[in-house]
Amino acid sequence: EADIYQTPRYLVIGTGKKITLECSQTMGHDKMYWYQQDPGMELHLIHYSYGVNSTEKGDLSSESTVSRIRTEHFPLTLESARPSHTSQYLCASSEGGNSPLHFGNGTRLTVT
Amino acid sequence: GENVEQHPSTLSVQEGDSAVIKCTYSDSASNYFPWYKQELGKRPQLIIDIRSNVGEKKDQRIAVTLNKTAKHFSLHITETQPEDSAVYFCAASRPSGGFKTIFGAGTRLFVKA
Repeated sequence: EADIYQTPRYLVIGTGKKITLECSQTMGHDKMYWYQQDPGMELHLIHYSYGVNSTEKGDLSSESTVSRIRTEHFPLTLESARPSHTSQYLCASSEGGNSPLHFGNGTRLTVT
Repeated sequence: GENVEQHPSTLSVQEGDSAVIKCTYSDSASNYFPWYKQELGKRPQLIIDIRSNVGEKKDQRIAVTLNKTAKHFSLHITETQPEDSAVYFCAASRPSGGFKTIFGAGTRLFVKA
């Protein structure tokens, strides 16, 4: 089934660790996004991509980085996790032009 | 910069009553306005959207209205049910600058049985 998948669903790690949050979509969408959201609160755009080899920073300053080597894959990396990174990270994708976002189920990250 | 304001932040209604959530956008070039529903612990999902060439769209108990002149758009839910309880986000995007979607801050809707 065409969808957008995020792994892991939950992650608890210690301060200073490097982590990569995975996001893959099977819909062939060019545009992909990463949002940070505390549960039920505002959605903050941290990174987006228009296509392969295209990445941009979003509105919320983030110490994370992203890459887009393949259309379907848009991983997010934190080089050194801190407790302030504790949050939910939602990946999304959309078709070209003005079209709705399709969200993944999110990764709930806790940094101890 | 671009901004979408959403009101109210919390809304509590009795089952069967109507609920209205209002949004205002700042970028006059915005031409696509989706609404997302996020249930507790789940991902946001599109429930209805409207484009700038129409003023109103309806899908069963849900309707959206758009006033381009005033840069307002609203979500109307009639005959509310407990399963309508969720956080609702409005959003706006425009056909330039990468079609970046700007979200409102969300409205937490409680429907009391």
